[in-house]
Order: sequence, then structure tokens, then C-alpha cells
Amino acid sequence: DAGITQSPRYKITETGRQVTLMCHQTWSHSYMFWYRQDLGHGLRLIYYSAAADITDKGEVPDGYVVSRSKTENFPLTLESATRSQTSVYFCASSVDAGNTIYFGEGSWLTVV
Amino acid sequence: GQQVMQIPQYQHVQEGEDFTTYCNSSTTLSNIQWYKQRPGGHPVFLIQLVKSGEVKKQKRLTFQFGEAKKNSSLHITATQTTDVGTYFCAGSVTLYNFNKFYFGSGTKLNVKP
Repeated sequence: DAGITQSPRYKITETGRQVTLMCHQTWSHSYMFWYRQDLGHGLRLIYYSAAADITDKGEVPDGYVVSRSKTENFPLTLESATRSQTSVYFCASSVDAGNTIYFGEGSWLTVV
Repeated sequence: GQQVMQIPQYQHVQEGEDFTTYCNSSTTLSNIQWYKQRPGGHPVFLIQLVKSGEVKKQKRLTFQFGEAKKNSSLHITATQTTDVGTYFCAGSVTLYNFNKFYFGSGTKLNVKP
């Protein structure tokens, strides 16, 4: 049961570099999400997608870009990484809005 | 904007004591979900409540949804060390036929053996 997988799981990058976090789900869920988790802030929604080629901003979209050319993939790109983007990033999916959200195992990103 | 407030932020209990976390929304929710995240892990779905006043139980866990569908609680009876983790609520709001989830900030539970 692959479910939802994220890569890389751990990444250290330098300020100013472009970084892409990959997310792949095998359930054909319509909805996919990217959250970041920082101490004291819980889970904050970066971007979400209702279907292929449909994306929308969440609470904290600045500095991030997403795309969804295929239903199963939802990559998150940090165009020019900053130290404030050091965080744990969770990709998630849901069969539709309002249903159970299934989270990937997370990508730990450190920007130095 | 829409917010789901969750309290307390942290809770330290002795094993065997009870634990409760509360979520409050400024607007009426379509449903509310609860998730548990173990240290170093990812959030995992526990339960969904949909009806006004609904109460659901999972062994030692009791979940309630308020009559006005604006608040919810998770109560753990006689905590065990396996209950350690962060508990999140996620309230769903329907806007223009689209459901949006708003996560609470979580309650981190530590259980001393």
C-alpha cells in the first residue's frame, strides 16, 4: 500500500537555491495539499489542488510554486529558498473536499 | 478570517490521568475531524463528526461535536504512554459548494509513566 509518498525525506539546501519537493499518490484522489509545520504554528496550508491543472493558494503561499499536470503528482517548488522556509513539509490528499485527509510522511527541509 | 482555535497548546499528565483538548470555531462548521501525530511522524486521521451534538467513542477516546457545530472536544480517559503525541482538530467550512479545512494549532500531550 504505497498511498502517498514524498521525496526527498530530508534535504539541506543553501539560501537562494531552488528546491522541489515531490509528492505522489496512488489513490487517484482529486484533492492534494501542501502543508508546512513549524513549532507553535501547527499545520499551515501552502497550496492545494482540486484536480489536475487546478490549484489555489492557501494561508502561506508566498515563495512557493506548485503544479499539477497529472492527478497523482503535486510537486512543490521553492524558487529561491530562504531560512524562514526551514520546516517540515507534508503533502496530503483527499478523495474530495471535506473527506479524510491522508498525509505523507513529511519532508524535513533545512535552509542554511 | 476563518480560524479554528485549539487549547491548550501543551498538556503534561501523569499516566492514568484524563486529558481533554478543545476546539472552537468562529463560524458554523460542516464537520470536524481529529488527527493524531506521534513525535517525528505525520498526522493520522482518527475520526470525523458531522451531526450537531454528535458523540463518538473509540476505546478510551471520546469525541464530541457541539450543538451549534462551532466547537468540539477530544477526551482521553486514563491516559497511557502510547497516547503521547499532538492532537489536531480540523474544521470544515462550506463556501460556494467547496469545503475548506482549517486546522487547529494542535495540543501536544506528554504522558509521564
